[in-house]
Amino acid sequence: DSGVTQTPKHLITATGQRVTLRCSPRSGDLSVYWYQQSLDQGLQFLIQYYNGEERAKGNILERFSAQQFPDLHSELNLSSLELGDSALYFCASSVGGVSEQYFGPGTRLTVT
Amino acid sequence: GEDVEQSLFLSVREGDSSVINCTYTDSSSTYLYWYKQEPGAGLQLLTYIFSNMDMKQDQRLTVLLNKKDKHLSLRIADTQTGDSAIYFCAEISNSGYALNFGKGTSLLVTP
Repeated sequence: DSGVTQTPKHLITATGQRVTLRCSPRSGDLSVYWYQQSLDQGLQFLIQYYNGEERAKGNILERFSAQQFPDLHSELNLSSLELGDSALYFCASSVGGVSEQYFGPGTRLTVT
Repeated sequence: GEDVEQSLFLSVREGDSSVINCTYTDSSSTYLYWYKQEPGAGLQLLTYIFSNMDMKQDQRLTVLLNKKDKHLSLRIADTQTGDSAIYFCAEISNSGYALNFGKGTSLLVTP
């Protein structure tokens, strides 16, 4: 158990809908990262927050957004969902910027 | 984009050593990581190596780093069936924050 929690574990929704994925980092970790894992693209970095502020952006679509709250948990919002958004979404946390990242169990999103 | 390269599949017999290879892209990467993903699970951090090291040993795991060739390897001694999983090599990306992953090597350990 990495200490990073993610909810829900599974999510099934229809195209065009909007969903919110939630992540709680390990106790003491200030950085939260979101990654998408799909069969064709592999593991892709989406976005990072550090202590409530956006720190870095990767291959995140404009339909996706995220935030980190004062209690350091983070939410990833996915809107206008398309079939191609079906993937595993992982959250990871670390103490600071360049340090070991610990991953949550992931949320499996299926868009039908 | 820049790709971290790994072979996709490796099969070994139980008790043998496994060697998983990786070629990374950024010569300025400060840390290089190995993660393990079991079916239906998240990524487990196995080990990492700092870029000024050539080798790191941690119980059954040995990491070798060749900076000149940008080559990283993970050796698992006395491989067990429980080691069957996908192994990902990762480097710190150019932004200095996010991990840049390879596509993963699927290790199958047969009795």
